[in-house]
Amino acid sequence: GAVVSQHPSRVICKSGTSVKIECRSLDFQATTMFWYRQFPKQSLMLMATSNEGSKATYEQGVEKDKFLINHASLTLSTLTVTSAHPEDSSFYICSSPVSRAVANYGYTFGSGTRLTVV
Amino acid sequence: KQEVTQIPAALSVPEGENLVLNCSFTDSAIYNLQWFRQDPGKGLTSLLLIQSSQREQTSGRLNASLDKSSGRSTLYIAASQPGDSATYLCAVRRDRDDKIIFGKGTRLHILP
Repeated sequence: GAVVSQHPSRVICKSGTSVKIECRSLDFQATTMFWYRQFPKQSLMLMATSNEGSKATYEQGVEKDKFLINHASLTLSTLTVTSAHPEDSSFYICSSPVSRAVANYGYTFGSGTRLTVV
Repeated sequence: KQEVTQIPAALSVPEGENLVLNCSFTDSAIYNLQWFRQDPGKGLTSLLLIQSSQREQTSGRLNASLDKSSGRSTLYIAASQPGDSATYLCAVRRDRDDKIIFGKGTRLHILP
């Protein structure tokens, strides 16, 4: 249980275009979704936290106008990289903490999206 | 501010050896700690989850321990195999807001 489906797994886009990444919870309600970015050989870095029905909270240094996050329902959160540039090329992963009511669960991760901007 | 440190950053050992990966965290106010495996270009695979009230968890050849008061966790891998080669990440879930803080990982290479 507690599966997050992330799409697409890989995307190549031209510089200046926008790319949308979706994370969908399949069998639970994801009230919170964390979005991470990982550059090669680096750790996962938290970009922003989204809560269903409210504005996302961005970490320091992350441009909220460039990385648009929408969490309009309890099962879907999206990250849109707007006007992408080569330096945005990275591995993006979403994660949702599974309810504390289920003591043995931690958090579940999407399978990641490798974005390459050319 | 919670910081998670993993030592060593990289490790190469011959097949069959037992090994220990270390993780330390600066703030003991954690809800749980989780060890993940990440293969190159892939997502995360959860290995073991330890709740803050627990001392250790075991799964097959893997054993993870947690000493919350000293801010340390270890991942013990017994009888290592080439298929164990991957990056191993330690992550703590903060008690107050559920945010997950990752270490930078240990890149493990098991030599056949």
